[in-house]
Amino acid sequence: QVQLQESGPRLVKPSETLSLTCTVSGGSISSYYWSWIRQPPGKGLEWIGYIYYSGSTNYNPSLKSRVTISVDTSKNQFSLKLSSVTAADTAVYYCARGGYGLDPWGQGTLVTVSS
Amino acid sequence: SYELTQPPSVSVSPGQTARITCSGDALPKQYAYWYQQKPGQAPVLVIYKDSERPSGIPERFSGSSSGTTVTLTISGVQAEDEADYYCQSADSNGTYVFGTGTKVTVL
Repeated sequence: QVQLQESGPRLVKPSETLSLTCTVSGGSISSYYWSWIRQPPGKGLEWIGYIYYSGSTNYNPSLKSRVTISVDTSKNQFSLKLSSVTAADTAVYYCARGGYGLDPWGQGTLVTVSS
Repeated sequence: SYELTQPPSVSVSPGQTARITCSGDALPKQYAYWYQQKPGQAPVLVIYKDSERPSGIPERFSGSSSGTTVTLTISGVQAEDEADYYCQSADSNGTYVFGTGTKVTVL
């Protein structure tokens, strides 16, 4: 079955750009939406945005000015970039298949923003 | 910004029924989705399109919708159902949002 795995730096300095990649295995990235979600420690889920395999995107308005989601169908991967990070961006970042009805999810990766 | 409101916590005895509500103004026009999240794990989809159950999800999980409120019902609650539950839907502009989350405690 389809599995997702997040990868990228676990520690990012304030004002820098957070970059994560989600690798999709067991299935093709084509014909689906792919999303990023985050969860600050001890808090609830926050939708970041999604990308369709063709490249169209939809972002959370509260993050839109800092977020870029891209897709590389040749590598079966999609990526997240979040610029000008602060401590408030410290969270577990998840990737998932879908826009609504997210299934399945990656295991998540904790990214800490600290100098 | 659009909000989906859930009760912070629900407590239920084993074998009883737990009902978790999610309220939002756009719910009459947008589907709702429900996720279960156990400590240290990624969320799992348990209900989609208000009331549909993905394969592999036990029949004791069901969903319903009425006006601006959707409800996740867990019938015959088991100890393994203790978790956080989140609803998800969209506002009228297609911006997705998660509910505030509900912690279900099995007494």
